[in-house]
Amino acid sequence: DTEVTQTPKHLVMGMTNKKSLKCEQHMGHRAMYWYKQKAKKPPELMFVYSYEKLSINESVPSRFSPECPNSSLLNLHLHALQPEDSALYLCASRPVGGSQETQYFGPGTRLLVL
Amino acid sequence: KNQVEQSPQSLIILEGKNCTLQCNYTVSPFSNLRWYKQDTGRGPVSLTIMTFSENTKSNGRYTATLDADTKQSSLHITASQLSDSASYICVVSLSTLGRLYFGRGTQLTVWP
Repeated sequence: DTEVTQTPKHLVMGMTNKKSLKCEQHMGHRAMYWYKQKAKKPPELMFVYSYEKLSINESVPSRFSPECPNSSLLNLHLHALQPEDSALYLCASRPVGGSQETQYFGPGTRLLVL
Repeated sequence: KNQVEQSPQSLIILEGKNCTLQCNYTVSPFSNLRWYKQDTGRGPVSLTIMTFSENTKSNGRYTATLDADTKQSSLHITASQLSDSASYICVVSLSTLGRLYFGRGTQLTVWP
């Protein structure tokens, strides 16, 4: 299994809803990432988990809450989002160590906040 | 300041033609440079990855070059196909936790 999967593919939610995005990989990677990407812009790093511990939080608002329950799963809990949070949310994973490692990206979850 | 600049911003070519995309970076300390292809609404897919000691790397019709002295890279696409239409993103990595710096991408459109 050499891919990162994300669910759901699409999500529409109201500003009072609570939802979660899910990311999964079975490549044994121990670093996992959440990115936010607006249309025609490069991905923006949100969070980095290394060995299931949060190592980077790029000053993301608290309405986004990441969780890494085990080495294969990464969740992003959403609560009280704003319309400007509508974007493509990308998950990525990376093996730790070595100079040729690359981040493997999932297909993304396209989020629309109404 | 760590930055990655790409040119051109967009490019239209006819099917079967070749093209070259450019990337300049100021990221330091440099770990590696990758080119990704991203279809609209999809996650980026890695095309090539190079460390500072590598000058060129090929992946089928894609050939990437790297000049670590001038901090420039290029991606050459040969015999373009309609399916090559996508955004091509240059990404430079710092060694710590694989922190990535993304260029804004070149939007390539291949016309029949």
